[in-house]
Amino acid sequence: DAKTTQPPSMDCAEGRAANLPCNHSTISGNEYVYWYRQIHSQGPQYIIHGLKNNETNEMASLIITEDRKSSTLILPHATLRDTAVYYCIVMVIYNQGGKLIFGQGTELSVKP
Amino acid sequence: DGGITQSPKYLFRKEGQNVTLSCEQNLNHDAMYWYRQDPGQGLRLIYYSQIVNDFQKGDIAEGYSVSREKKESFPLTVTSAQKNPTAFYLCASSPGDGYTFGSGTRLTVV
Repeated sequence: DAKTTQPPSMDCAEGRAANLPCNHSTISGNEYVYWYRQIHSQGPQYIIHGLKNNETNEMASLIITEDRKSSTLILPHATLRDTAVYYCIVMVIYNQGGKLIFGQGTELSVKP
Repeated sequence: DGGITQSPKYLFRKEGQNVTLSCEQNLNHDAMYWYRQDPGQGLRLIYYSQIVNDFQKGDIAEGYSVSREKKESFPLTVTSAQKNPTAFYLCASSPGDGYTFGSGTRLTVV
């Protein structure tokens, strides 16, 4: 079973920040939080991941609460091309690969 | 460029026929995975392999089979035992942290 809970859908105005929440209240100490997104009929695309510190890259920022039970993905200036389904996943990393278990994700619609 | 190649992009088969979906990666990743996606749904894990000549069942392995004879290749066979094979199939690989996904194969059984 998926170990994360996300709202099924969200809207965001173009140019504004999109804040996508995720609850992972049963996360273990060695599990990372990963975010992927999937544009219709394509393979999921990696966005960002983190363990307990906040992370930022060229695509997004990841804010993880101190108790690690929830996180927020922030797209600072959403564009129409950011319209996609966003998946929040928790996973243990080990040498030969962990198992990504996908939930239903959040369908983000960026509107002009 | 390194990546994962799934072929074909679209595949049509008659009911009762076995069909094999190809997945090849040149990323030198040890782990490879197969997922199934139905319309409006998330991805469900079919099979995964963490090393050559070894693989494990995922959550929905019934009606599917795989092999991992080479590090680069992880083909998926959809057998006639799979009751609802029409779906979007995604292959992925991982070096240990993070996945790289292929572009998918859309299988339609008529």
